[in-house]
Amino acid sequence: QKEVEQNSGPLSVPEGAIASLNCTYSDRVSQSFFWYRQYSGKSPELIMSIYSNGDKEDGRFTAQLNKASQYVSLLIRDSQPSDSATYLCAVSPTGNQFYFGTGTSLTVIP
Amino acid sequence: SAVISQKPSRDICQRGTSLTIQCQVDSQVTMMFWYRQQPGQSLTLIATANQGSEATYESGFVIDKFPISRPNLTFSTLTVSNMSPEDSSIYLCSVERDFGQGTRLTVV
Repeated sequence: QKEVEQNSGPLSVPEGAIASLNCTYSDRVSQSFFWYRQYSGKSPELIMSIYSNGDKEDGRFTAQLNKASQYVSLLIRDSQPSDSATYLCAVSPTGNQFYFGTGTSLTVIP
Repeated sequence: SAVISQKPSRDICQRGTSLTIQCQVDSQVTMMFWYRQQPGQSLTLIATANQGSEATYESGFVIDKFPISRPNLTFSTLTVSNMSPEDSSIYLCSVERDFGQGTRLTVV
């Protein structure tokens, strides 16, 4: 299994704040990077993918990738209570099979 | 995105028995993936199931314990053999970037 590290948290932020989630990986072969959200008792759902260095924005979500530092992050702006979930970082050498980090539990406090 | 159906959604099994989990996809796909999520943990890739060839297992997983079938491009099964309580987990099928709803297995 590839090594993917995340701060397990829990991370708590007030509603409306920015939540910052971080992930590092050890495999330099990995070319694709993903963020999944998993609500308790549910399957993971894909929220962001990123393949190139830099930032990628999608609504309130911004993914950041730095391949030289082997670092990928997710910023959630204007956090809402409905964002409370576990966020899983995943890396993939092929784009289809994933190696997941341990996940970061996020709680957004109203 | 693909629609992925898994059966059963949950089961309680006796130790020493085997359970076969089915995964059906609404479109033809080359690769299907099986993951395990142990209680309170993240997902771990078990194996990649390619149609027409043997599954490829990740380190720590063996075919005798987790035999996989892939009879066509829309279907796969994962069997958890000779179960012990340590096998109690959620088992998930994945296609492309989507996941099935999972099978929650409890071994008693």
